[in-house]
Amino acid sequence: AQSVTQPDIHITVSEGASLELRCNYSYGATPYLFWYVQSPGQGLQLLLKYFSGDTLVQGIKGFEAEFKRSQSSFNLRKPSVHWSDAAEYFCAVVSYSSASKIIFGSGTRLSIRP
Amino acid sequence: NAGVTQTPKFRVLKTGQSMTLLCAQDMNHEYMYWYRQDPGMGLRLIHYSVGEGTTAKGEVPDGYNVSRLKKQNFLLGLESAAPSQTSVYFCASKIRPGTDNTGELFFGEGSRLTVL
Repeated sequence: AQSVTQPDIHITVSEGASLELRCNYSYGATPYLFWYVQSPGQGLQLLLKYFSGDTLVQGIKGFEAEFKRSQSSFNLRKPSVHWSDAAEYFCAVVSYSSASKIIFGSGTRLSIRP
Repeated sequence: NAGVTQTPKFRVLKTGQSMTLLCAQDMNHEYMYWYRQDPGMGLRLIHYSVGEGTTAKGEVPDGYNVSRLKKQNFLLGLESAAPSQTSVYFCASKIRPGTDNTGELFFGEGSRLTVL
């Protein structure tokens, strides 16, 4: 069965520091991969997505992610975080062959140290 | 443009009571989803629908029922609420997957349900 693993439950970084959030997926077919962000008390907002082509994808708010098939990973990065980036981040996978079902990871909560 | 709207936003129930959460979307999306969000467990798919009149089970369907009588609405019902169903519920929708769409989910703002 397909699954998504986000190994880091909570990460704290200093404002201005770089960030990398990890995501590993388990799926036999070509996946569609997403990163969503959730601010407190809000719904989820799409940051970026990967379907095919260039394995480094750019998203909103200065985020990027790199798809690495050999490692089954889709890690999210940002070169310099801002206090407003404090939120919960979710990785998600969609099956190419069954595009109706979308599975989310358990999330990583990001805190920013002033 | 309202997007995805969930009602109610907050509700407190006693064990054994029933209730229905309503999700309405105005984007003419074919696919609709109900997720629950619990601390440390992310979002888990309860039920989903790929079109009017069709529904399917997700990861955690037990204790819930759904209906999609109209394309724009997706109802989530709890027939006999249990404390284990205390959670935040999110509805989401997206267009039918194809070669020229992103498959992006659009989310409502959530409904917080407490079962005492």
